[in-house]
Amino acid sequence: DQQVKQNSPSLSVQEGRISILNCDYTNSMFDYFLWYKKYPAEGPTFLISISSIKDKNEDGRFTVFLNKSAKHLSLHIVPSQPGDSAVYFCAASASGTASKLTFGTGTRLQVTL
Amino acid sequence: GAVVSQHPSRVICKSGTSVKIECRSLDFQATTMFWYRQFPKQSLMLMATSNEGSKATYEQGVEKDKFLINHASLTLSTLTVTSAHPEDSSFYICSARGSPGAKLAFFGQGTRLTVV
Repeated sequence: DQQVKQNSPSLSVQEGRISILNCDYTNSMFDYFLWYKKYPAEGPTFLISISSIKDKNEDGRFTVFLNKSAKHLSLHIVPSQPGDSAVYFCAASASGTASKLTFGTGTRLQVTL
Repeated sequence: GAVVSQHPSRVICKSGTSVKIECRSLDFQATTMFWYRQFPKQSLMLMATSNEGSKATYEQGVEKDKFLINHASLTLSTLTVTSAHPEDSSFYICSARGSPGAKLAFFGQGTRLTVV
């Protein structure tokens, strides 16, 4: 039972354009969401998070939007840069903290020149 | 962000042997460490949660006698894969957080285990 889903396994975006990565969840107990970036043979690096009491959180080029009624969140990267090419994981927690995270399967983002 | 170091990054072992993976928090005290496993083209799956000085809590379906976790200090947790078999080949990764209410957990770089 995949409680966190990233339905797009890959995404290709041109440099300078916006990248939008999507994530859906099924567990209504999730109240804290995080996005991680992962390069091959490395551990995930934290990007940005959002609590369920908010619907938007912004940090530089990265913005996360949360639609609780649709159980959907998205990560926007603008402008996209070649260094953003990596696998992006959406993760969720039901404790309001970074405890016992449930991860999606990841979306591989390729930013082309 | 805080630094979590995992060692080794890659290990190949023979079937039937045991392998120990270390996870260290280098610049903070980790009250809790988490161990995940990732099979190809799948998501990271939580295996167990360990709190310093107490027994690990394993997720459903994870054999505690096969995956021994020790969290003897606030900066070190180890995962030992005992009597490894080829199906244990996977990417193992730890994460650590400093306090129960911490909003962030920091990940190690992971260990690619191949059992031949």
